[in-house]
Amino acid sequence: DVVLTQSPLSLPVTLGQPASISCRSSQSLVSSDGNTFFHWFHQRPGQSPRRLIYKISNRDSGVPDRFSGSGSGTDFTLKISRVEAEDAGVYYCMQSTHLPSTFGQGTKLEI
Amino acid sequence: EGQLVESGGGLVQPGGSLRLSCAASGFMFSNSYMAWVRQAPGKGPECVANINEDGSQTFYVDSMKGRLTISRDNAKNFLYLEISSLRADDTAVFYCTTGWGKIWGQGTMVTVSS
Repeated sequence: DVVLTQSPLSLPVTLGQPASISCRSSQSLVSSDGNTFFHWFHQRPGQSPRRLIYKISNRDSGVPDRFSGSGSGTDFTLKISRVEAEDAGVYYCMQSTHLPSTFGQGTKLEI
Repeated sequence: EGQLVESGGGLVQPGGSLRLSCAASGFMFSNSYMAWVRQAPGKGPECVANINEDGSQTFYVDSMKGRLTISRDNAKNFLYLEISSLRADDTAVFYCTTGWGKIWGQGTMVTVSS
């Protein structure tokens, strides 16, 4: 199964400052049809994960534009331009190019 | 926006079996890749099984292979997961989700303990 490695695992940030999370894959996530099924999620305690970004850089409906995703192949990044209090929680990357899908180990954003 | 509602979790003795169900509504279930994801207490999510749109292809995480069966009933808009030979370290919240993770259920707790 594909291994996703996130860094850092813990990210202390100040309100209004930027934040960046990296996710590296053990193999290319480009599928045979040219798509890259790589996504980012946010989870608060006691809640189900919520998808923020799909296929590298597409924001889901209702996700603020301070969130952006980038990358290709095996290296991907989630950026928050200006952190707000509601952004606290754990961020996970996930790939669904190679099944079964796999998740990164998570990055805890602490404000 | 679609909805997924899981059921079937509970307290099970080691070595026992469970069948989890997931009711889908509000989206084209029969056109959707689906997955079961488990999350142990204090841990990150782990996808344990995927199934394609018509149920002809299934994928399982190596650590649980042989103990899982994922299936679906597109006529009833239901997804299922059968788990056998349950162990204490299977204790987790099990979520039903669409293949790319757009829609998640609230999860059903499975506790394996004597």
